[in-house]
Amino acid sequence: DIQMTQSPSSLSASVGDRVTITCRASQSISRYLNWYQQRPGKAPKLLIYAASSLQSGVPSRFSGSGSGTEFTLTISSLQPEDFATYYCQESYSNPRYTFGRGTKLDIK
Amino acid sequence: EVQLVESGGGLVQPGRSLRLSCAASGFTFDDYAMHWVRQAPGKGLEWVSGISWNSGNINYADSVKGRFTISRDNAKNSLYLQMNSLRAEDTALYYCARWVQGSDSSGYYLYFDYWGQGTLVTVSS
Repeated sequence: DIQMTQSPSSLSASVGDRVTITCRASQSISRYLNWYQQRPGKAPKLLIYAASSLQSGVPSRFSGSGSGTEFTLTISSLQPEDFATYYCQESYSNPRYTFGRGTKLDIK
Repeated sequence: EVQLVESGGGLVQPGRSLRLSCAASGFTFDDYAMHWVRQAPGKGLEWVSGISWNSGNINYADSVKGRFTISRDNAKNSLYLQMNSLRAEDTALYYCARWVQGSDSSGYYLYFDYWGQGTLVTVSS
């Protein structure tokens, strides 16, 4: 099975900061990588699909990049509503779709 | 507006059964594969099971294979998860999620685009 490793597992930042979260796959997954945001008590929300495509309605401060085994999610200027947990998910190994263990982003 | 509403969760003793339902609305249900994803308290997301639009392709995580059965009724716009021989480690919030697959000029894509709010299953004596 493909393993997805996110780093860091937690991160403290301030409003206006630029933040980058990394996700590494245990084998090449091409660009089959998605990013989700989960606010406390809420369902996950799709942010980025296919490594770099912004889901409709998601603010442009979110961006994704990478291919193969290394991927990044960048938030260019943190807003108060961005403090949440972020998960990567591979969609290469049909049908197991492994998630990363999450990165909790909180206010410094 | 796309809506997914889960129900059927609750407190159940180890070894017993429970059936979860997910009512879908706001889209053509039988155009999409559907999945169950769970989240243990304070933990991350774990894919549980998925079913194709016509029930022709069904898959399970190793952790639930042989105990859980996914099904759908396209006439009722509903997704189900029959959970048997429940264990303490099955305690989680269970989400149903819509699976999108397609392609564009950049290539193929596959992702969960809509999620329900979840139904909580607690397995405890």
